[in-house]
Amino acid sequence: EVQLVESGGGLVQPGGSLRLSCAASGFTFNEYWMYWVRQAPGKGLVWVSRINDDGTATNYASSVEGRFTISRDNAQNTLYLQMNSLRPEDTAVYYCARNLGTSSGEEDFWGQGALVTVSS
Amino acid sequence: DIQMTQSPSSLSASVGDRVTITCRASQGIRSDLGWFQQKPGKAPKRLIYTASNLQSGVPSRFSGSGSGAEFTLTISSLQPDDFATYYCLQHNNYPWTFGQGTKVEIK
Repeated sequence: EVQLVESGGGLVQPGGSLRLSCAASGFTFNEYWMYWVRQAPGKGLVWVSRINDDGTATNYASSVEGRFTISRDNAQNTLYLQMNSLRPEDTAVYYCARNLGTSSGEEDFWGQGALVTVSS
Repeated sequence: DIQMTQSPSSLSASVGDRVTITCRASQGIRSDLGWFQQKPGKAPKRLIYTASNLQSGVPSRFSGSGSGAEFTLTISSLQPDDFATYYCLQHNNYPWTFGQGTKVEIK
């Protein structure tokens, strides 16, 4: 069974840093591109970042470029999102996901989400 | 960045109604679009991939159409389980972008 479990969320002050983790199981992690998506309270979905299967290629939303870094440890089956220079508008539930965009129809999988609150 | 304009932002409908939601891209994205359903407190789940292909296990009352810059999600006969928020996602060009969402409520 595919499982994605996020951790590392919490309360952080503006300007602070936080690292989210996403532990993957039930599939061959190093064969899949992975993604982060966020959702502010009561708001819509926002695509944040993606990383390819071996970690050599990444992309970011304009709103987080230069502040967030996506990475992965394929030996540990774990995806990360390092978030620096956090702003109140970064407050959101952060989801990790697999197969977010596909032309093959392979099922998408999402974690349960990790809440990040940026506030003083 | 490609902007995805989704409409309407919300709608009220009755069980059995036909419902149509539209996404317009600010530039052509071929058929690189998915439709997702999200229920309160839950992660989203994809219904349609590459604009018009039904995800395995999704009821056939859901369908998608379009290519280029205009796309439609149709629910042919709304069921109680379909009251949710729906999002389109373009995966043609980075950064990928979601539409703003359409909340489908009970009339």
